[in-house]
Amino acid sequence: KQEVTQIPAALSVPEGENLVLNCSFTDSAIYNLQWFRQDPGKGLTSLLLIQSSQREQTSGRLNASLDKSSGRSTLYIAASQPGDSATYLCAVKTGANNLFFGTGTRLTVIP
Amino acid sequence: SAVISQKPSRDICQRGTSLTIQCQVDSQVTMMFWYRQQPGQSLTLIATANQGSEATYESGFVIDKFPISRPNLTFSTLTVSNMSPEDSSIYLCSVHGKDSYNEQFFGPGTRLTVL
Repeated sequence: KQEVTQIPAALSVPEGENLVLNCSFTDSAIYNLQWFRQDPGKGLTSLLLIQSSQREQTSGRLNASLDKSSGRSTLYIAASQPGDSATYLCAVKTGANNLFFGTGTRLTVIP
Repeated sequence: SAVISQKPSRDICQRGTSLTIQCQVDSQVTMMFWYRQQPGQSLTLIATANQGSEATYESGFVIDKFPISRPNLTFSTLTVSNMSPEDSSIYLCSVHGKDSYNEQFFGPGTRLTVL
């Protein structure tokens, strides 16, 4: 069974700093990997989707990379802002109905 | 992208009662998914709801506890039956993008507290 791990579980940085969130998965047979943002008590907002054939995707200050063979993805956030404070979840899709989530990284950006 | 709404957004319920959560999507979709997120945990898939057929439940979830309806291609309901405090969670509805292997979208969630 696919297992998804996110490190660190929590991260606190001063505003303006660049940061990297890590996601690893045990089975490289994936269709895609998706990064989400979740604010406390709320639903999930999709940030970036990387197909299995792609190496990276960018959206604004966010850049996600995928190394399928090693089972790793990173989410890079440039010039962090207090509004970036949230929990970030990665999820890998292994089939039409199979989306496996990591446990998340709780990010706090200090003004 | 798909726009998903859920009702209610939150509720506080008494032990032993039932709550029905509604999910509405702004476009027709084949599959709708219901997830649970227990406090401090990540998301777990409860079931997949297909229009015109019985829902498919994941291991550990049963129809008697979580009955699901899927009357059309834009709407689904999830009922949490005979609730206990352990059912306190966020319940989320989700759909695929244009096909099963593309982006997945989530509703805003229903935050349930059972006393």
